[in-house]
Amino acid sequence: GAVVSQHPSWVICKSGTSVKIECRSLDFQATTMFWYRQFPKQSLMLMATSNEGSKATYEQGVEKDKFLINHASLTLSTLTVTSAHPEDSSFYICSARQFYNEQFFGPGTRLTVL
Amino acid sequence: QKEVEQNSGPLSVPEGAIASLNCTYSDRGSQSFFWYRQYSGKSPELIMFIYSNGDKEDGRFTAQLNKASQYVSLLIRDSQPSDSATYLCAVKTSYDKVIFGPGTSLSVIP
Repeated sequence: GAVVSQHPSWVICKSGTSVKIECRSLDFQATTMFWYRQFPKQSLMLMATSNEGSKATYEQGVEKDKFLINHASLTLSTLTVTSAHPEDSSFYICSARQFYNEQFFGPGTRLTVL
Repeated sequence: QKEVEQNSGPLSVPEGAIASLNCTYSDRGSQSFFWYRQYSGKSPELIMFIYSNGDKEDGRFTAQLNKASQYVSLLIRDSQPSDSATYLCAVKTSYDKVIFGPGTSLSVIP
C-alpha cells in the first residue's frame, strides 16, 4: 500500500506556542489530504480537507485561524496549531488520497500542550 | 442520527471463533465503504474496502455490503489474539467526505 509519513510523531509544547505537523505522501502524489483529530477512546473526527494548491475546507466547529493548513505540493501538507492550549492536546492524523482512491493514513502525531 | 454507527462493544470472542462487526450509515448516496483496524495509540490501517453489494473476501476477512439496508459488516474468521483492536467503519459519502464510525473494540480471548 501507499506510504504516508508524519513528523513529528510526538511533541510536547508550552501553552501559547505554535506547533507545525508535516504530512508527506512518500510514493504517490496526493491530490487530496485530510486532517483528523482523535481524542482518547473516541473516533476520528475530520478537521479539514485540503487540495493541492487551494485553500483548505474546514469542518463545522474547527477554527481555521487556529488550525492553519497548507498543501503546497502534491506530497506535502502541513497543519499548524497556533497558540496551542491544553485542550488542543490530541492525536492528530493525516491521510492522503490520489484522485478518488482510498485514503492512506500517516502514523499520527501525539500533541501534548502543558 | 449519526452518519455512521457501529456496535459500541466491547466484543469478546474466543480464539478461533468468527467475529462479526456491524455498521450502518445514513447517506443513501454513499458509494465506498472501508474497514480500518486501529491498535491503541496507533494510526488506523486499512483492512478492506468494498464498493458493490454482496461479499468481498480477503484471507480471513469478509466484508458484506447491503446498500438497500445501508448496512456493511466485517467478518473475521478464525479470530486470533492479534486481531484484538478497535475496528473502524468508514463511509465515503455522496459529498466526497470519509466519515468514521465510533469504532467497535474487539477482544479475542486465547
